Amino acid sequence: EAGVTQFPSHSVIEKGQTVTLRCDPISGHDNLYWYRRVMGKEIKFLLHFVKESKQDESGMPNNRFLAERTGGTYSTLKVQPAELEDSGVYFCASSQGPGSGMEKLFFGSGTQLSVL
Amino acid sequence: GENVEQHPSTLSVQEGDSAVIKCTYSDSASNYFPWYKQELGKRPQLIIDIRSNVGEKKDQRIAVTLNKTAKHFSLHITETQPEDSAVYFCAASRNSGGSNYKLTFGKGTLLTVNP
Repeated sequence: EAGVTQFPSHSVIEKGQTVTLRCDPISGHDNLYWYRRVMGKEIKFLLHFVKESKQDESGMPNNRFLAERTGGTYSTLKVQPAELEDSGVYFCASSQGPGSGMEKLFFGSGTQLSVL
Repeated sequence: GENVEQHPSTLSVQEGDSAVIKCTYSDSASNYFPWYKQELGKRPQLIIDIRSNVGEKKDQRIAVTLNKTAKHFSLHITETQPEDSAVYFCAASRNSGGSNYKLTFGKGTLLTVNP
């Protein structure tokens, strides 16, 4: 079974540019989460989709970040325009749902974003 | 909101020794506590989890204990091996409606097992 896949694995952009990250969850997983880890700090929640709907976006830093999950399959996270403080590793995770097992999150390998 | 503190930030042990990582949480409503292991350049992987209705859970060389009253939980690794070297993250969450298990993570512990 394929795991959660993220693309690209690394992205280096200049301040003011736009970057789009992609996440493909495990097939059949309704729940999709985005998290971010800034260097040396904890992994922080950004938002949660249930299928194509945003269930909770309380962790999104500001309106420069836009997440979508059209059709309830893969998700994209766009940062526009990127700022220096957006640098970090962006993780995507998915889980089954609803019912048993929905609390077990499976993570992708992350996208290392560097804003110069 | 929830706050999770994790200690130590780094831990170095000799192969065969035990390793203990401790976490505290602030939200008494949290009811699910997973531990993730992240090897260098790889994805965080769930290694063990515990619910608030259980005090201890064991899986081979790994065990987790939970003290709800004190709001802390710990990861215990016995007979450590070099392949246990990684960053370990604790997390806490509660079902905040529907299927939302929003995890709050600790800052991680870099465990090094010396051969």
